[in-house]
Amino acid sequence: AQSVTQLGSHVSVSEGALVLLRCNYSSSVPPYLFWYVQYPNQGLQLLLKYTSAATLVKGINGFEAEFKKSETSFHLTKPSAHMSDAAEYFCAVSSPSGNTPLVFGKGTRLSVIA
Amino acid sequence: DAGVIQSPRHEVTEMGQEVTLRCKPISGHDYLFWYRQTMMRGLELLIYFNNNVPIDDSGMPEDRFSAKMPNASFSTLKIQPSEPRDSAVYFCASSRERGGSSYNEQFFGPGTRLTVL
Repeated sequence: AQSVTQLGSHVSVSEGALVLLRCNYSSSVPPYLFWYVQYPNQGLQLLLKYTSAATLVKGINGFEAEFKKSETSFHLTKPSAHMSDAAEYFCAVSSPSGNTPLVFGKGTRLSVIA
Repeated sequence: DAGVIQSPRHEVTEMGQEVTLRCKPISGHDYLFWYRQTMMRGLELLIYFNNNVPIDDSGMPEDRFSAKMPNASFSTLKIQPSEPRDSAVYFCASSRERGGSSYNEQFFGPGTRLTVL
């Protein structure tokens, strides 16, 4: 079975500071990994995905994540936080066999302080 | 492309009533997923379809829940009778079977916020 652990249900950073949201996964096979963002009262939007190509994945809005197999991690980073980055972020895992359901972490709420 | 469309966006009903949630996937997508989001359990899969056929409904809480996909452009999730513990946000997502840069990427609708009083 697959699972995702997101460390920290709430992270607060100052505007312009580094954003680091942690995600660790458990999977019996090399997984596909995703980060989604959810703004209040909206659906989920894909930030980036890892599908067994490059281990450093660049996404939208300046976010990137690095797949580290040895650490079973897929942490999300952004060099400089903007106020508009305040949202809920979800890490998710799926099987590489394609189009299988996503298993989500509990989410991390990011607050950005001016 | 209009994206995944869900209706209604908000639904308030009384315990015991029937509730029907609707979803229109992105045209050309072969997979459709129904997820539920609650504070306690987070985001969890209810059921998913491939080419209109249910593949896995093990996440459906109980017999009060049912889902159908009569054609490639429409799916419903029905709760009968509804209970207060069904209050949640219900998301529909769709994805394409193969090919292109968006392969294996699920596109989510805006969700339906259900409140059962």
